[in-house]
Amino acid sequence: GESVGLHLPTLSVQEGDNSIINCAYSNSASDYFIWYKQESGKGPQFIIDIRSNMDKRQGQRVTVLLNKTVKHLSLQIAATQPGDSAVYFCAELGDLGNTPLVFGKGTRLSVIA
Amino acid sequence: NAGVTQTPKFRILKIGQSMTLQCTQDMNHNYMYWYRQDPGMGLKLIYYSVGAGITDKGEVPNGYNVSRSTTEDFPLRLELAAPSQTSVYFCASSYGGQGRYSNQPQHFGDGTRLSIL
Repeated sequence: GESVGLHLPTLSVQEGDNSIINCAYSNSASDYFIWYKQESGKGPQFIIDIRSNMDKRQGQRVTVLLNKTVKHLSLQIAATQPGDSAVYFCAELGDLGNTPLVFGKGTRLSVIA
Repeated sequence: NAGVTQTPKFRILKIGQSMTLQCTQDMNHNYMYWYRQDPGMGLKLIYYSVGAGITDKGEVPNGYNVSRSTTEDFPLRLELAAPSQTSVYFCASSYGGQGRYSNQPQHFGDGTRLSIL
């Protein structure tokens, strides 16, 4: 089965509100995680990454939180804008460390104007 | 830089036909990848390459072949198209791998939408 999963397949938020997208992973040895954004008809676009020696990392309007105890990852988007509407994927390293990423199914974020 | 370029953008094949999906990158990246994305699903790795002349299988390699004769190009070959191969195919590249001592996110092309009827 999937080693990276998501709690919610869809999420609708009001413009200006904060969005939180969650992701669970099963490989306790994973030490690198990435969030990607995929707009309709486009390829995934890198948003932010985090290593297991950190529990929080901030970018521009985005924050990733990592809870290794419960193997949970979240992406927070501040002041959500219509342009944030997309599918968001979390990804983790494969079992062998440097093998390519394992992607979850994705969460669709819809921003209500 | 154009980044990662995939051609064609759309294609319809008949069962049993063959075709090559092209992927080229101009970022001098060592690593290249092919994924497929089925509706409502995440990306599944088909093949990847850590450098010219080196390829390795991913999670779903059956029915596909790849080659990496140059750093820039990483074509994906379907020899006998089957309906199960209807999908959107994404090529990606990165300078290095993703690992404990590196930090090299993958850059994706915009995909090839392939339908097999």
